[in-house]
Amino acid sequence: GQQLNQSPQSMFIQEGEDVSMNCTSSSIFNTWLWYKQDPGEGPVLLIALYKAGELTSNGRLTAQFGITRKDSFLNISASIPSDVGIYFCAGRAGGTSYGKLTFGQGTILTVHP
Amino acid sequence: GAVVSQHPSRVICKSGTSVKIECRSLDFQATTMFWYRQFPKQSLMLMATSNEGSKATYEQGVEKDKFLINHASLTLSTLTVTSAHPEDSSFYICSASEIGTEAFFGQGTRLTVV
Repeated sequence: GQQLNQSPQSMFIQEGEDVSMNCTSSSIFNTWLWYKQDPGEGPVLLIALYKAGELTSNGRLTAQFGITRKDSFLNISASIPSDVGIYFCAGRAGGTSYGKLTFGQGTILTVHP
Repeated sequence: GAVVSQHPSRVICKSGTSVKIECRSLDFQATTMFWYRQFPKQSLMLMATSNEGSKATYEQGVEKDKFLINHASLTLSTLTVTSAHPEDSSFYICSASEIGTEAFFGQGTRLTVV
């Protein structure tokens, strides 16, 4: 089946630093999504990408859909303490918005004030 | 924005009993809902796709008789963990989407079987 490799597994950074994480896939996806999950909560959608090469921003977050359709990255600029959490990439092979997602392993982000 | 509500948020049950978890789309109709299981510090693993008015589609390795899914209306799907055992303890999360939008996730249910 499809697999997503997300890295790094964890990051410990100082407040104000920039963060970068990425996901690679063994197969092509038509949609890449990035989520943040706080402890004991469900994931919340941060950015959705639908076209190869697409670069999209949401405040301090920027994500790109790789040209090969097999990878995506998420950047967080000028990190703040509330950025702490687990970040997941997710890919969808199908063309509909209600198709099932495959999730990466997650990146645990810790921000030191 | 669209809201997906999951209930209960936490449940503790005795081994051998059954537990029902509800997933509701509060302000939209969801023809498709998904159920995930998540172990501590691990990823979300899709268990099954719940389709309104029809049988759920289970992922490989998920026992359909163990994890009963019912999607009786466009706003409600339920997951029943039957004859629960300690190894069923986990964080269960549902998601729901309306046509043309990405899925919204519920807040999750922490199941502890003692």
